[in-house]
Amino acid sequence: DSGVTQTPKHLITATGQRVTLRCSPRSGDLSVYWYQQSLDQGLQFLIQYYNGEERAKGNILERFSAQQFPDLHSELNLSSLELGDSALYFCASSVGRQGNEKLFFGSGTQLSVL
Amino acid sequence: AQRVTQPEKLLSVFKGAPVELKCNYSYSGSPELFWYVQYSRQRLQLLLRHISRESIKGFTADLNKGETSFHLKKPFAQEEDSAMYYCAPLRGSTLGRLYFGRGTQLTVWP
Repeated sequence: DSGVTQTPKHLITATGQRVTLRCSPRSGDLSVYWYQQSLDQGLQFLIQYYNGEERAKGNILERFSAQQFPDLHSELNLSSLELGDSALYFCASSVGRQGNEKLFFGSGTQLSVL
Repeated sequence: AQRVTQPEKLLSVFKGAPVELKCNYSYSGSPELFWYVQYSRQRLQLLLRHISRESIKGFTADLNKGETSFHLKKPFAQEEDSAMYYCAPLRGSTLGRLYFGRGTQLTVWP
């Protein structure tokens, strides 16, 4: 167990809808990272938050947004969902903000857009 | 844009055979390099970090700056090594953005 918790484990929704994925980092970790894993794109970095502030941005669509709350948990909001958004969404956490520390991953949220 | 290439999507070897999973990156300099592994139905976890030589399960990786490669090797593969392996180079200018290769699915046959 990495100590990183993601909820829900599975999410099934329809196109055009909006969903929120939640991540609780390991105790003491200040950084949260979001990744999207799909068969054709592999593991894509979306965004990183450090201690409540956006730290780095990757291939995140404008329809997606994230935030990190004072208790350090993070939420990834996906809106106007499309079929192609179906993927496994991972959250990871680390102590620092550089991304060169060991990342601890959650077990992921499997999103299915029908 | 930086690129990470793992040329083999699938790799199969027999138990006891040597295994090498290839990783090439496209930029110069001295990136920090990582290999992450995802066993079936488990979370991604750090396998090896070049800078600290931290490693588990007998895997090693050598940084070849001339070839810009960071291939993962193990002299004698075990069935439990079957997993998805991701190479991830981190360059100083992209701190915070750990990009992964597309991964290589390793299958070790008995």
